[in-house]
Amino acid sequence: DAGVIQSPRHEVTEMGQEVTLRCKPISGHNSLFWYRQTMMRGLELLIYFNNNVPIDDSGMPEDRFSAKMPNASFSTLKIQPSEPRDSAVYFCASSSSTDTQYFGPGTRLTVL
Amino acid sequence: SQKIEQNSEALNIQEGKTATLTCNYTNYSPAYLQWYRQDPGRGPVFLLLIRENEKEKRKERLKVTFDTTLKQSLFHITASQPADSATYLCALDAGSGTYKYIFGTGTRLKVLA
Repeated sequence: DAGVIQSPRHEVTEMGQEVTLRCKPISGHNSLFWYRQTMMRGLELLIYFNNNVPIDDSGMPEDRFSAKMPNASFSTLKIQPSEPRDSAVYFCASSSSTDTQYFGPGTRLTVL
Repeated sequence: SQKIEQNSEALNIQEGKTATLTCNYTNYSPAYLQWYRQDPGRGPVFLLLIRENEKEKRKERLKVTFDTTLKQSLFHITASQPADSATYLCALDAGSGTYKYIFGTGTRLKVLA
């Protein structure tokens, strides 16, 4: 069992550039979550999908952020254009029920 | 909206003692409350879930209590070990029938040998 896979693990980019984060959920899980974690705000839910359909995107900060889930085994979170305040660790998690969420290792994003 | 409070200060305890971490919430009582462990540079890992109609849940050296009157959950680690050192997060469901959880900012626990 490979667990949730995220790529890249680290991303350093310059302000204004487009950033794409990728996630492969655990096979068979029907819910996928994108979180952002910072020291100040902790772990914040950005968006979650159920059966590939976005259910709640109320946590997405602004129009610069977008997420897609074209199939059950892949999701992307895109930031365009990126800003320094977007620097954080972004986690993807998947679940098959209302219980346990399985988190990936995260992508540490630094926007200069 | 729901607000979750966890002690932001680190908790240092001696090996072998019981560590007790607190999670307080301010609004509605959740149907589910979870505790996760997070090590530096890694994603959170699920530990325990307790439902609103359960007062207590145990798993090996871990115990969680849930008091809907006090709007509080306590997380206990008995016979603590240096390997238990980590940040512990509590999470509450955002409403019935939803998969959405709201996380606290976590409490860092350090068990001293």
